[in-house]
Amino acid sequence: KQEVTQIPAALSVPEGENLVLNCSFTDSAIYNLQWFRQDPGKGLTSLLLIQSSQREQTSGRLNASLDKSSGRSTLYIAASQPGDSATYLCAASGVAGNNRKLIWGLGTSLAVNP
Amino acid sequence: NAGVTQTPKFQVLKTGQSMTLQCAQDMNHNSMYWYRQDPGMGLRLIYYSASEGTTDKGEVPNGYNVSRLNKREFSLRLESAAPSQTSVYFCASTWPGGDTQYFGPGTRLTVL
Repeated sequence: KQEVTQIPAALSVPEGENLVLNCSFTDSAIYNLQWFRQDPGKGLTSLLLIQSSQREQTSGRLNASLDKSSGRSTLYIAASQPGDSATYLCAASGVAGNNRKLIWGLGTSLAVNP
Repeated sequence: NAGVTQTPKFQVLKTGQSMTLQCAQDMNHNSMYWYRQDPGMGLRLIYYSASEGTTDKGEVPNGYNVSRLNKREFSLRLESAAPSQTSVYFCASTWPGGDTQYFGPGTRLTVL
């Protein structure tokens, strides 16, 4: 059974720091891995999606990597800003079926301090 | 485009009461999902609908029913609410074979 773990559970950094959020999964037979952002009291917004055949994806100051063999993904945030404060969740999608279900981590709560 | 909308935003029920959470999307997506999010438990799938006319159980379906009314709308019903159903409920949708799910803003439900 696929399990997704995110470390650390919470992170507080000063503005301008580069930071890395970690996500690990137990079953390497994934179809893709996604990173989402959740603001307090709001829904989730997809940030980056990495297909199983890819190694990384980039969007602006965000870079996500995927290493299936080690069961790990990282989300790198460059030059962090207070507006990056949110909870970041990763989710792994299984290979079976046309309607792939997501297995979610518990998230990393990020606070970027001015 | 409104994306995925959910009503109501907040609701307080007494144990045993019933209610229906509404979800609609205007992105012509085929697949729709209902999740609940609880502290320390993360997001858990309640039910999903791969296409209009089909529904399937997810990880935690007990105590819930769903209806895929048409391609746009997917409702979640609590027939007899229990305190254990206090949670934040999210609806999401995606296109066939698509992987990025688009989420609504959530419904915060408290059952007393």
